[in-house]
Amino acid sequence: DAKTTQPPSMDCAEGRAANLPCNHSTISGNEYVYWYRQIHSQGPQYIIHGLKNNETNEMASLIITEDRKSSTLILPHATLRDTAVYYCIVRALPGGTASKLTFGTGTRLQVTL
Amino acid sequence: SAVISQKPSRDICQRGTSLTIQCQVDSQVTMMFWYRQQPGQSLTLIATANQGSEATYESGFVIDKFPISRPNLTFSTLTVSNMSPEDSSIYLCSFSGGRDRGAGNTIYFGEGSWLTVV
Repeated sequence: DAKTTQPPSMDCAEGRAANLPCNHSTISGNEYVYWYRQIHSQGPQYIIHGLKNNETNEMASLIITEDRKSSTLILPHATLRDTAVYYCIVRALPGGTASKLTFGTGTRLQVTL
Repeated sequence: SAVISQKPSRDICQRGTSLTIQCQVDSQVTMMFWYRQQPGQSLTLIATANQGSEATYESGFVIDKFPISRPNLTFSTLTVSNMSPEDSSIYLCSFSGGRDRGAGNTIYFGEGSWLTVV
């Protein structure tokens, strides 16, 4: 699976949009970009994933550049409960079956008042 | 998506003993994964467990230390054998399930089992 690079930490004011970048310059054509977050003391929570089109769900938006070498996770109105470590993961899917997730060090997002 | 639960949620264990962690999913799933998260670190995959076959271990993890069972499509156990303080970690069960726009199956996690070895 391709390697990802994320800033180790970011701050965001409550109510503002949090934009978390991820670089995955070696991504292959069959690899998806997944985002998870881990709030302290809890198991990782799935947020969103995408292949090449931008995606949006009730939690966040995922913007993937046209060359697919980087992406940005957007939390439109960050709250204190969004304080967590956010992991960007590139995941290969051989034969359409599930494959493992390889976690990097992620970005620690601190939302402040 | 299916609900996943782990037991115990936390435990304090004596050095040299073994502990079995149970993972239950409320629907049938094909693949289950076991991860370890040492204090202050990211998650590391221990092994992948498919029903009816032996678990596949990642580099650095061996069956004698972390035996895994997968007797059916809703249940798995991970045993941490002959524990030492270095085994103090969160152990997380996860499964691959759900249909998600052709991306295969999204992986979902349990809340983890916090083990402290003294």
